[in-house]
Amino acid sequence: AQTVTQSQPEMSVQEAETVTLSCTYDTSESDYYLFWYKQPPSRQMILVIRQEAYKQQNATENRFSVNFQKAAKSFSLKISDSQLGDAAMYFCAYRSYGQNFVFGPGTRLSVLP
Amino acid sequence: ETGVTQTPRHLVMGMTNKKSLKCEQHLGHNAMYWYKQSAKKPLELMFVYNFKEQTENNSVPSRFSPECPNSSHLFLHLHTLQPEDSALYLCASSQEAAGGSYEQYFGPGTRLTVT
Repeated sequence: AQTVTQSQPEMSVQEAETVTLSCTYDTSESDYYLFWYKQPPSRQMILVIRQEAYKQQNATENRFSVNFQKAAKSFSLKISDSQLGDAAMYFCAYRSYGQNFVFGPGTRLSVLP
Repeated sequence: ETGVTQTPRHLVMGMTNKKSLKCEQHLGHNAMYWYKQSAKKPLELMFVYNFKEQTENNSVPSRFSPECPNSSHLFLHLHTLQPEDSALYLCASSQEAAGGSYEQYFGPGTRLTVT
């Protein structure tokens, strides 16, 4: 069965600095999708960024980018120029075609002013 | 209304009560999901509906009963719950189609407290 691991339960970053959240996954599939979701305190979970496994180019969305290493089964999220509004739980998720999502346990990110 | 909505946002119920959670998606999606989110635990998938048909029931106790009358609405009927059922219940939807990106869109959740 597929599993998703986030080894950092909590992280903190200074405002305007850069932080990287780690995610590793286990799968025997070659075709799949990877996601990072953000859940701010008492607010809705929203999609931050998505990566298709067949694409070699790392996905980027404004200040958010990923480092996708398919052979290593690693999918880290980099947040540049961190803002107070980036404080949230971040969940890494995996999905292969026709299968359900598998979520990691989450990383709580604090942004220090 | 846009996206995925859930009502009520907060619910306190006794162990002998019967209540229902409602979810509605305004995205034209064909699949809907119920998740349970407890403190310090990963998201737990409870039920999956594809084209109104239940395709997954992850060993959820029978005190939780889902209902999907159409592709836009999803209910979770609750009865004789236990205190350990207190959690945030999240609804999500997705568009399941070949070549799609399959991302899920989440509602704000219902914070359930069982007393």
